[in-house]
Amino acid sequence: GQNIDQPTEMTATEGAIVQINCTYQTSGFNGLFWYQQHAGEAPTFLSYNVLDGLEEKGRFSSFLSRSKGYSYLLLKELQMKDSASYLCAVTDSNYQLIWGAGTKLIIKP
Amino acid sequence: DGGITQSPKYLFRKEGQNVTLSCEQNLNHDAMYWYRQDPGQGLRLIYYSQIVNDFQKGDLAEGYSVSREKKESFPLTVTSAQKNPTAFYLCACNLGEAGELFFGEGSRLTVL
Repeated sequence: GQNIDQPTEMTATEGAIVQINCTYQTSGFNGLFWYQQHAGEAPTFLSYNVLDGLEEKGRFSSFLSRSKGYSYLLLKELQMKDSASYLCAVTDSNYQLIWGAGTKLIIKP
Repeated sequence: DGGITQSPKYLFRKEGQNVTLSCEQNLNHDAMYWYRQDPGQGLRLIYYSQIVNDFQKGDLAEGYSVSREKKESFPLTVTSAQKNPTAFYLCACNLGEAGELFFGEGSRLTVL
């Protein structure tokens, strides 16, 4: 079967750095997405990786290793507004999106 | 502004009732999607439509129905056949170069 694994919950301190990991086993691979979802709201797009390596976008970066079936989202200079769930999603060989359950990130002052 | 409008935002239903969730977009986009989100689970695809008058089942279609009579509108009906309909429902289009999804604000359905 197809599977995406993320930690259920993480805690970090304001101003620090946190890395949220995502591992996947899917039928083929055509790209990996990260979304942010605040409580009670819809997900919003953060990043997309299709080739190995690091994509940087402001305080957020996303890394992909296709050979390892692994990605991480790196959040720097954490702010209280970064408290949210972070969803990892992979597009398989049929271009269907497979979603992880999300990682709830709690930021403490 | 372009966007996706879902209504109602909150909906309560008695068991045995059908309810329809509205999704309207002014993005002029062909493809539209309905997802269901439950606590502790990833988003699951209910139905999607690539073009007017055509739609395809996702993994979770049983107990749901859709129509796509206009490009702008993709309503979802939760029928009484859906045994556990309490969830957060999300409508989306894929807009970006990478095919990333753009979501409406969601509709939270609670069965009493």
